[in-house]
Amino acid sequence: EAGVTQSPTHLIKTRGQQATLRCSPISGHTSVYWYQQALGLGLQFLLWYDEGEERNRGNFPPRFSGRQFPNYSSELNVNALELEDSALYLCASSLAGLSSGANVLTFGAGSRLTVL
Amino acid sequence: AQSVAQPEDQVNVAEGNPLTVKCTYSVSGNPYLFWYVQYPNRGLQFLLKYITGDNLVKGSYGFEAEFNKSQTSFHLKKPSALVSDSALYFCAASNAGNMLTFGGGTRLMVKP
Repeated sequence: EAGVTQSPTHLIKTRGQQATLRCSPISGHTSVYWYQQALGLGLQFLLWYDEGEERNRGNFPPRFSGRQFPNYSSELNVNALELEDSALYLCASSLAGLSSGANVLTFGAGSRLTVL
Repeated sequence: AQSVAQPEDQVNVAEGNPLTVKCTYSVSGNPYLFWYVQYPNRGLQFLLKYITGDNLVKGSYGFEAEFNKSQTSFHLKKPSALVSDSALYFCAASNAGNMLTFGGGTRLMVKP
C-alpha cells in the first residue's frame, strides 16, 4: 500500500511568488491535514480537509489556502511568499475525522519550501 | 484551546539506560493522546496512542507511555535506549473534535 505522497520534495521560490504543494493520501483516507514545521520549531496546524470541505483552519493568514479534490488529494497554495514561509510542509491523512479524534494520522515525507 | 507541552527541548541518555520523554496536555473532555517520532528529513511516524482503557500503552519499537489523568501527563518511556532511538519526538493531543495539537518536540540523543 502506498503511503502519503507529497510533491515536490524541494521547492525554491523568491519573495512575492506563489507556491503550490501537492499531497496524495493513503487509499481510503478521506481526511487530509496540512502542517508547517519551521526550522527548530514544532508543528503548526494549517488546514484540515474532509470530503472536499475545509473543516478547520489554523492561525495563518489568508494567503495560505488549499483545496481537496474529488479523489481526496489536496494542494496547498501559499501566495505572496515571505521569507518566514520557509519551512517543511507536512501533509497527513486519516480515515474520516468528523466523528472521532482517535484516528491515527499518517504523514508524508514533506515538501521543503525555501523562500529567497 | 488545546495545548501540549514538552518541557525538555533535548533529552540525553546513555545506550542501555531507561529513557523518559515528558509531555503534559490541556484538552477539554476526554483526551486522545499520541506519540510520533521524526527521523531526519522524514515525516512523522506513529508510535502509540491512548484512547481509553489501561493507563499504560505499549507501542512500536519497545516504547510505552503512561496516561496520568490527575497530572494531565502522557510521558513516553523505554526501559533500555538504543542509539537508533535518537530522533525528534512529538506528543500530540485531540478530542472528539479531531483537532490534533502537537507539542514543540523533544530531541532524544542516545549516546553509545
